[in-house]
Amino acid sequence: SYELTQPPSVSVSPGQTASITCSGDNLVDKYVCWYQQKPGQSPVLVIHQDSKRPSGIPERFSGSSSGNTATLTISGTQAMDEADYYCQTWDRRTEIFGGGTKLTVL
Amino acid sequence: QITLKESGPTLVKPTQTLTLTCTFSGFSLFTTDVGVGWIRQPPGKALEWLALISWDDDKRYSPSLSSRLTITKGTSKNQVVLTMANMHPVDSATYFCAHTTRGAYGDFVDDFWGQGTLVTVSS
Repeated sequence: SYELTQPPSVSVSPGQTASITCSGDNLVDKYVCWYQQKPGQSPVLVIHQDSKRPSGIPERFSGSSSGNTATLTISGTQAMDEADYYCQTWDRRTEIFGGGTKLTVL
Repeated sequence: QITLKESGPTLVKPTQTLTLTCTFSGFSLFTTDVGVGWIRQPPGKALEWLALISWDDDKRYSPSLSSRLTITKGTSKNQVVLTMANMHPVDSATYFCAHTTRGAYGDFVDDFWGQGTLVTVSS
């Protein structure tokens, strides 16, 4: 079965750039979404179709994909961005989520 | 404004069947390219996709759980029902439903989520 691999944790200083990766076989051939989940809350879509931001998502969130890796980049990271982030894709009619990355802003 | 809310039992016994209802507003499940999906999350763990039903009644299931899952449109036009048979303690999780939109490339995106409902499986 298809798998997406994320680092368990990433740390960033306020105002700096955070990068969260998501790896999967030939991931460049699929579209990737990214979800942000804060403690006790439901996930929120922050990136779809690799790099598109839904309405209302700040411009500091961006996405890219190349080869086997998709990347969520948060520029000028703020304390409010501290959360769990999940990548997601589809494979053969099955929705796949990555294991999640805890972003710490310190 | 799209909203979704999950409802169902908070506690089920092992081997019982779980029935969850997603009640939504702000969209129609008869609109082309619209679907409703279910995703769960055990405490402290990652998201796990369960099932999706689309506007044309196409149904998709997690391969590892397909034998236990059934997703249907409810008798009310604004509801989707998920049943999961033979519940185990490891199925204890927060269960979310989500509005999904099919993009031009054919995949669905979970663009609006319900608040989730915590289900505990214990005798």
